[in-house]
Amino acid sequence: GAVVSQHPSWVICKSGTSVKIECRSLDFQATTMFWYRQFPKQSLMLMATSNEGSKATYEQGVEKDKFLINHASLTLSTLTVTSAHPEDSSFYICSVYYNEQFFGPGTRLTVL
Amino acid sequence: AQSVAQPEDQVNVAEGNPLTVKCTYSVSGNPYLFWYVQYPNRGLQFLLKYITGDNLVKGSYGFEAEFNKSQTSFHLKKPSALVSDSALYFCAVSPQGFQKLVFGTGTRLLVSP
Repeated sequence: GAVVSQHPSWVICKSGTSVKIECRSLDFQATTMFWYRQFPKQSLMLMATSNEGSKATYEQGVEKDKFLINHASLTLSTLTVTSAHPEDSSFYICSVYYNEQFFGPGTRLTVL
Repeated sequence: AQSVAQPEDQVNVAEGNPLTVKCTYSVSGNPYLFWYVQYPNRGLQFLLKYITGDNLVKGSYGFEAEFNKSQTSFHLKKPSALVSDSALYFCAVSPQGFQKLVFGTGTRLLVSP
């Protein structure tokens, strides 16, 4: 299966700052990546579908101006949480699609 | 709209006993069904999937799942539980192939020694 990495694995930031999370496909070129958000003791909620070379497709209720997604290459997609607030604290997980979905290890964001 | 239900927040089982984690789904058309496992502060690991064919699907770590179309269920099973199986288990459905997954709320499995 595909190997997916995320960086950083955890980050703490102050309210109002922006945070960038990277998702890398290490062993194949991914035209499609997905970003999920997971609240404590809750399920994964799909935030957006990241398509290489084009704009991301956001799920209903997800603010695209707050959660900026850039899929600039076939191995890298980034999620930037802009002007982060405590309610953005969550576990963010990316996945890549290669015949099926392979998930990254996740990034825990804590906004103080 | 597609949805997945995992009716149990937690399942407790003694080591060596069989385990079942329940999942029911609602989706139009033929569903693609998945089970994933998540360990603390980790991403999801794929266990098994059903697309078509035999209703009993065998997956990783000795897990299996049975697709029941009439009951729209896809319960996860293992004949003999291990303490190391303790984790969070997610059922997911994809009505459009593998591209988009809808997850259930997850079931925490606790296997006691």
